[in-house]
Amino acid sequence: EAGVAQSPRYKIIEKRQSVAFWCNPISGHATLYWYQQILGQGPKLLIQFQNNGVVDDSQLPKDRFSAERLKGVDSTLKIQPAKLEDSAVYLCASSHDRSYEQYFGPGTRLTVT
Amino acid sequence: AQKITQTQPGMFVQEKEAVTLDCTYDTSDPSYGLFWYKQPSSGEMIFLIYQGSYDQQNATEGRYSLNFQKARKSANLVISASQLGDSAMYFCAMREGRGYSTLTFGKGTMLLVSP
Repeated sequence: EAGVAQSPRYKIIEKRQSVAFWCNPISGHATLYWYQQILGQGPKLLIQFQNNGVVDDSQLPKDRFSAERLKGVDSTLKIQPAKLEDSAVYLCASSHDRSYEQYFGPGTRLTVT
Repeated sequence: AQKITQTQPGMFVQEKEAVTLDCTYDTSDPSYGLFWYKQPSSGEMIFLIYQGSYDQQNATEGRYSLNFQKARKSANLVISASQLGDSAMYFCAMREGRGYSTLTFGKGTMLLVSP
């Protein structure tokens, strides 16, 4: 089966610009996660969707970050405006309803200059 | 307090030897699960092994085994017969509660396998 797809793989923007990341989970996976991984740290959850509803967005900086999952499949994560500290790898993961295992995509490496 | 602690920033091992990567956790929930993920330089997180808090036996998956010591709140990953391709970052993670909850990750351990 196809894995979790993410695009773009790399993005360089200037601070105060906006950026969007796209994720396509594994087919049939109802749960989708966005993580932020800053260099030298483990991933930190930003938001979790169950189908197209938000389960947990407690660590999402809502003043600048937004995410949506239309029709319960693909998801988009947006940053507007970006700050230098947003430089990180943004990982998307998905899981089946009946499994604890999360499958991760290759990530998008964002550099904010 | 940190929920997941990985005290080894880096570990070195020779090919074909066994290596143990340490992980301690902190939770008051009786239902939880512990994961190990591998992250090679390509960046993708690869699931290795899972241990539930109620599992009676230590989890094993091929060359990977999880040394689960509940009283000590430790969940160390043991890699037997290391291979060059095992060189990567390794992350310990925990979910809490009975639902399919989110994961909290440690800071990771960099493993380097030498010929």
